[in-house]
Order: sequence, then C-alpha cells, then structure tokens
Amino acid sequence: DAGVIQSPRHEVTEMGQEVTLRCKPISGHDYLFWYRQTMMRGLELLIYFNNNVPIDDSGMPEDRFSAKMPNASFSTLKIQPSEPRDSAVYFCASTKAPNTGELFFGEGSRLTVL
Amino acid sequence: GENVEQHPSTLSVQEGDSAVIKCTYSDSASNYFPWYKQELGKRPQLIIDIRSNVGEKKDQRIAVTLNKTAKHFSLHITETQPEDSAVYFCAASKGSGYALNFGKGTSLLVTP
Repeated sequence: DAGVIQSPRHEVTEMGQEVTLRCKPISGHDYLFWYRQTMMRGLELLIYFNNNVPIDDSGMPEDRFSAKMPNASFSTLKIQPSEPRDSAVYFCASTKAPNTGELFFGEGSRLTVL
Repeated sequence: GENVEQHPSTLSVQEGDSAVIKCTYSDSASNYFPWYKQELGKRPQLIIDIRSNVGEKKDQRIAVTLNKTAKHFSLHITETQPEDSAVYFCAASKGSGYALNFGKGTSLLVTP
C-alpha cells in the first residue's frame, strides 16, 4: 500500500480564497482523522470519521471549515474563506482502530494564506 | 475533552546522555498512550505505545512508563544519538472509537 496520500503538498493562496485539501486513506482503515499542526498549538484534532461518518467535529475552528468523506477512499477538508491564521500543516491520518494500533499519517499539506 | 500536557517543550542533551519527556493527561478513562516521533519536514510516526494494564514497556533504547494513579506517563531515551533529534509527541486515547489527543510536542536536540 502507498500509505495515506494527501494533496496538495503545498498550497499558497490569498486571504478570502477557498482551499480544498484532499486525502486518500490506507485501504481497509475504518478511521480517518484530520489534524492541524502549528508551532503554537502542536497537533490539533479537527475532525474524525468512522466508516465515512463524522464522529467528532468539535475541533473544527469555525464555520469556515468543513470536511467530508463521500466514500471509504476519499476525504476533503475545505476552508472557505481562508484567513492568514489558517496557515499551518494539515495532516490526514488513518487507522483500523485508534486505540489499538498505529495511526498512519500522510505527508501533510502545508498551507500558506497571504 | 481529554487534555494532554507535555514537558519540556525543548530539550537539548549531549550524545550518549539520557533524555526524559513527561506527559500528563486529564481523563482517567484514557487507556492507550502512544509516542510519535516527527523528524524535520516529515510525518509523525509511532515509536512506542503503552496500555493502561502495563506500567512499563521497553524497546531497545526507548522505554515508556505509566503511572495511572498520578495520570502521567514518560518517554525515556538512553544513549542518545544525533539521529534521535526530532519532535516527540505523546498522546492519549480513552477507548475504541476515540481519537488520539496529542501533547504539544518536545523538540529534542542531541549534540555530538
């Protein structure tokens, strides 16, 4: 398996633009997570899905953020409109069971909002 | 929700010395405690984990200890090497179906 695949790896956009980050989890993993990493806050959980259903989105900063998982092999995280404070590395991760095995991270999407 | 505190935020040791990173958690229901290592520009990767029915676990130069009563757990790295330089994250989870909550990370620098 190629592991968790994220795109784009880097995105530079201007404030107010819409940003869409994409993730393909490892096949057979029932759980998918979106984390945001910044120097100040470390790794923050934004939202996670189990069998394509959102389980906990309490970490989503505000209504500008939304996430979907239309099928077992694809998820998106959308920011609309983007703001400079959204600049961060966004990681997608997947696992079969979050407390019994390894969480596999993608390479991350580095977002810069000017 | 679960709150995981991690200390120190930065740690510098000389090669060959030991390094200790400590974490505390708030939810007594947490029962799974992994540690992840993130090298510069790379993704976090699991290095060791411990479950609540075990007090200590060791894997070569790395060990983790857990004190459930005090709700804290620690990572111990012995005989540190320059390649141990990275950011280390502790995390806690309280059961099947729950996500991992991470500490803010410790940037470890091992100088030759």
